[in-house]
Amino acid sequence: ETGVTQTPRHLVMGMTNKKSLKCEQHLGHNAMYWYKQSAKKPLELMFVYNFKEQTENNSVPSRFSPECPNSSHLFLHLHTLQPEDSALYLCASSQDIENQPQHFGDGTRLSIL
Amino acid sequence: GESVGLHLPTLSVQEGDNSIINCAYSNSASDYFIWYKQESGKGPQFIIDIRSNMDKRQGQRVTVLLNKTVKHLSLQIAATQPGDSAVYFCAERGNSWGKLQFGAGTQVVVTP
Repeated sequence: ETGVTQTPRHLVMGMTNKKSLKCEQHLGHNAMYWYKQSAKKPLELMFVYNFKEQTENNSVPSRFSPECPNSSHLFLHLHTLQPEDSALYLCASSQDIENQPQHFGDGTRLSIL
Repeated sequence: GESVGLHLPTLSVQEGDNSIINCAYSNSASDYFIWYKQESGKGPQFIIDIRSNMDKRQGQRVTVLLNKTVKHLSLQIAATQPGDSAVYFCAERGNSWGKLQFGAGTQVVVTP
């Protein structure tokens, strides 16, 4: 059982589409994270929110746009993606950015046609 | 830059044996380390963590060892079971505000 829920689990989209990934955590945490996971590569941190404020943008292209309306919800808005953006996108949360560990959702498998 | 080193090797372990998964890190200032398990089709699952002021920590069937002298972290799994088959990866944190840096992982395969 995971306290972090991601939807959808799978997404196929064309390069001109606009879609959004959703993450919800039920752990009472105050920090939320987006990661990209490509095959056989380390997890790549994309964005960090702490108490709804963005504290990290790890040089992510502007075609990825995060949104954190409250401490329990995190979105990743996608627009004009490239084939190399196909990957597993993972959401995580922690008590706050100082207090780990991070707990992960099961991810959204994204395929760009 | 700093790095955590795992190059996705495969560790084949017989059921019932003990497993040892290793991780090398390069940032001597890292204050926190963590191990995750990732099964196929699932997200990373927290296993155990350790702070730099400790050299050993035990959980249920798992032990993490930290050797700061040689910058080495290991995860020991006792009496490995088929359900332990997964990719295991470690992560380090450079300071209390720093982000986690992850290794690529080790594939553990448990054979009957």
